Amino acid sequence: QKEVEQNSGPLSVPEGAIASLNCTYSDRGSQSFFWYRQYSGKSPELIMSIYSNGDKEDGRFTAQLNKASQYVSLLIRDSQPSDSATYLCAVNMDTGNQFYFGTGTSLTVIP
Amino acid sequence: DTGVSQNPRHKITKRGQNVTFRCDPISEHNRLYWYRQTLGQGPEFLTYFQNEAQLEKSRLLSDRFSAERPKGSFSTLEIQRTEQGDSAMYLCASSPKGGPIGNEQFFGPGTRLTVL
Repeated sequence: QKEVEQNSGPLSVPEGAIASLNCTYSDRGSQSFFWYRQYSGKSPELIMSIYSNGDKEDGRFTAQLNKASQYVSLLIRDSQPSDSATYLCAVNMDTGNQFYFGTGTSLTVIP
Repeated sequence: DTGVSQNPRHKITKRGQNVTFRCDPISEHNRLYWYRQTLGQGPEFLTYFQNEAQLEKSRLLSDRFSAERPKGSFSTLEIQRTEQGDSAMYLCASSPKGGPIGNEQFFGPGTRLTVL
């Protein structure tokens, strides 16, 4: 089992819809969770961090964390074509300073 | 530009040669990370520095790889006797010290290595 798992997609949504991206992780003691956006050929860009159970909203983005289910998600409201990218979930395991990334979910927003 | 910078941006080398990459973190960020990313995969952790101390290395990191951060500012990653399997994007990230916010990492543009 990989430390962080994501559905690789591709996920396609029409412009203006809600995109839902999911991530599960293996270490129950994990404390820090992050979502990054990566455009093709570019480096990852931090979108959001979340540390506590529940929802955290920032503009059109909402991160949701459920530590009991070892599950973190990212919702993108009013999706725009510029949101088309690969979204990476990252987890800081409780065992140290290593960060584990999922393989990413490719999102395409169709105009 | 006050972001993380990496040099060179691209490196083409022949198998067996040594290569060295440089990373300049965001000013006053005391934590620095190196990652490797191949096509279709997420970044894979290589090593971590807090100030000048290398505190963690991936178990997967070959002894051909070495990293330094001599004065707690910039860092270098050297790969000796490169192999074709080393071809990847090498990413550097930094984060500020202290608290959970200290875990937020900001990535540089990466160095793309091609080993022929």
